[in-house]
Amino acid sequence: NAGVMQNPRHLVRRRGQEARLRCSPMKGHSHVYWYRQLPEEGLKFMVYLQKENIIDESGMPKERFSAEFPKEGPSILRIQQVVRGDSAAYFCASSRGNNEQFFGPGTRLTVL
Amino acid sequence: RKEVEQDPGPFNVPEGATVAFNCTYSNSASQSFFWYRQDCRKEPKLLMSVYSSGNEDGRFTAQLNRASQYISLLIRDSKLSDSATYLCVVNTPDMRFGAGTRLTVKP
Repeated sequence: NAGVMQNPRHLVRRRGQEARLRCSPMKGHSHVYWYRQLPEEGLKFMVYLQKENIIDESGMPKERFSAEFPKEGPSILRIQQVVRGDSAAYFCASSRGNNEQFFGPGTRLTVL
Repeated sequence: RKEVEQDPGPFNVPEGATVAFNCTYSNSASQSFFWYRQDCRKEPKLLMSVYSSGNEDGRFTAQLNRASQYISLLIRDSKLSDSATYLCVVNTPDMRFGAGTRLTVKP
């Protein structure tokens, strides 16, 4: 049973470009969460999604960031017009209902 | 008050020591509690769930105090390999992570 998959593992973008991060949840999990972790800091909740629905986006920056979890395919975290401050590790987690979350290996975004 | 709060540490202890972390939460209706471990530059991994009656897994003991709204993690006979950041997680009702407590076990 494959775990949570994230790709790419590393992503380099120049300022102003777009970044797309993908997350495939564990089989049987319909809940997906995205977190951001800046260097030497803790996990910061960004958004919680179920299939085709955003349940809680209270941690998402108001501009440039969006997330989706379509009926088919992975969840996508999209960052438009990236800036240096977006450089961080982005972790995705999935769960079966409101239970323990299982994390993917993360995508490390570097903005030059 | 933050939904989930932890002492960030760092805790620096010698091998063999016993160390305890606390985590307080604000939502008295919370029902699910967990401890995760995160190694440097890796994803968090579930360490153990926390049950109302308390539970133990080898050298690790987790307890819940509903009256005071905190959970605790006790590590006995600490090993070098226990060095990591320990995150508490509470449903509020969505799952929320504490900022983590950093532990370094030294020879």
